[in-house]
Amino acid sequence: DAKTTQPTSMDCAEGRAANLPCNHSTISGNEYVYWYRQIHSQGPQYIIHGLKNNETNEMASLIITEDRKSSTLILPHATLRDTAVYYCIVRPYNNAGNMLTFGGGTRLMVKP
Amino acid sequence: ETGVTQTPRHLVMGMTNKKSLKCEQHLGHNAMYWYKQSAKKPLELMFVYSLEERVENNSVPSRFSPECPNSSHLFLHLHTLQPEDSALYLCASSQDQEGAFLPDGYTFGSGTRLTVV
Repeated sequence: DAKTTQPTSMDCAEGRAANLPCNHSTISGNEYVYWYRQIHSQGPQYIIHGLKNNETNEMASLIITEDRKSSTLILPHATLRDTAVYYCIVRPYNNAGNMLTFGGGTRLMVKP
Repeated sequence: ETGVTQTPRHLVMGMTNKKSLKCEQHLGHNAMYWYKQSAKKPLELMFVYSLEERVENNSVPSRFSPECPNSSHLFLHLHTLQPEDSALYLCASSQDQEGAFLPDGYTFGSGTRLTVV
């Protein structure tokens, strides 16, 4: 699976948008971008995924650059409960086996 | 609870003890996983079971022994652990489906916080 690079940590003010970047310059054509987050002392939770088009759901938006070498997860109105470690993962959509490999992620601190 | 239940939530054990961690999923999934999360380190995949057969063992020391008696239950048997094995142990389950990865179906438990003294 392609390697991803994320900043170690970020701060965001409560109520503002949190923009979390991810670089995946070696992504291949059959690989999707997935985002998970892990709130302290809990297991990771799925947020969103995409291939090349921008995606939005009730939790977040995902913006993928045209060359697919980087992406940004956007939490439009961050709350204190969004404080967590956010993981960007790149892997194929259609191979057998559901193993997820996590990197270091970005520790997002939402401050009042 | 998320549908994946882990017990106990906390465990303190001596280096000569034998203990077991338990994971149970009520989601009808056919694959289960053990992950280890040490302080300041990324999640490490330890074991993968698909259809109750082990499909991956990422060179985990033999003092960790997994068992998957059926698709709903997963155990991690521990013996003669070291202090550096202290970590959060997370169980996950998913529906392993040929030809499609289902990211929103990958469900984690809340973990067992293990301390080896």
